[in-house]
Amino acid sequence: DAGVIQSPRHEVTEMGQEVTLRCKPISGHNSLFWYRQTMMRGLELLIYFNNNVPIDDSGMPEDRFSAKMPNASFSTLKIQPSEPRDSAVYFCASSLAGGGPEKLFFGSGTQLSVL
Amino acid sequence: AQSVSQHNHHVILSEAASLELGCNYSYGGTVNLFWYVQYPGQHLQLLLKYFSGDPLVKGIKGFEAEFIKSKFSFNLRKPSVQWSDTAEYFCAVNYRGSQGNLIFGKGTKLSVKP
Repeated sequence: DAGVIQSPRHEVTEMGQEVTLRCKPISGHNSLFWYRQTMMRGLELLIYFNNNVPIDDSGMPEDRFSAKMPNASFSTLKIQPSEPRDSAVYFCASSLAGGGPEKLFFGSGTQLSVL
Repeated sequence: AQSVSQHNHHVILSEAASLELGCNYSYGGTVNLFWYVQYPGQHLQLLLKYFSGDPLVKGIKGFEAEFIKSKFSFNLRKPSVQWSDTAEYFCAVNYRGSQGNLIFGKGTKLSVKP
């Protein structure tokens, strides 16, 4: 298995533009998590899905952020409009529901820079 | 609010020095505890975990961690670090009943000088 695949690896955009981050979880995994990593706040859980259904989005910073999981093999995190303070590394992770967090596999992350 | 604190932002050591990275978590009931490592340019990897039983947990690459319930701590240790241990280390807590969510500390960057 190729692991959790995120794209793009790097994204540089201008303030106000829409940004879409993509994630392909490991085949067979039915839980998917989006995390954001910044120097100031460390790793924060933004949202997670079980069986394509958003379970907890309390970590989503504001309405500019939205996440979808249209099917078991694909998820997006969208920021519209983007702001410089959104600059961070965004990680996607997947696991089997009920498998416990020790079974969490992370993607390589998307480095987002908003100018 | 549930939280995880890592005491050191950046630790610099020479090879063969001993390492201890602090991690404390806020009370929230029964916990599962983890240390993750992120090598430069790579994704997060699980280093070790504690669920129950022996509070001294051994992980990969010679790392170990000790769960001290009375101190709400789960410090990471290694007797002798190597240059290849240069990475960022994250402590994480899963509060049982929270459906697998992990709460991470802010991370400690370890730089090992050859």
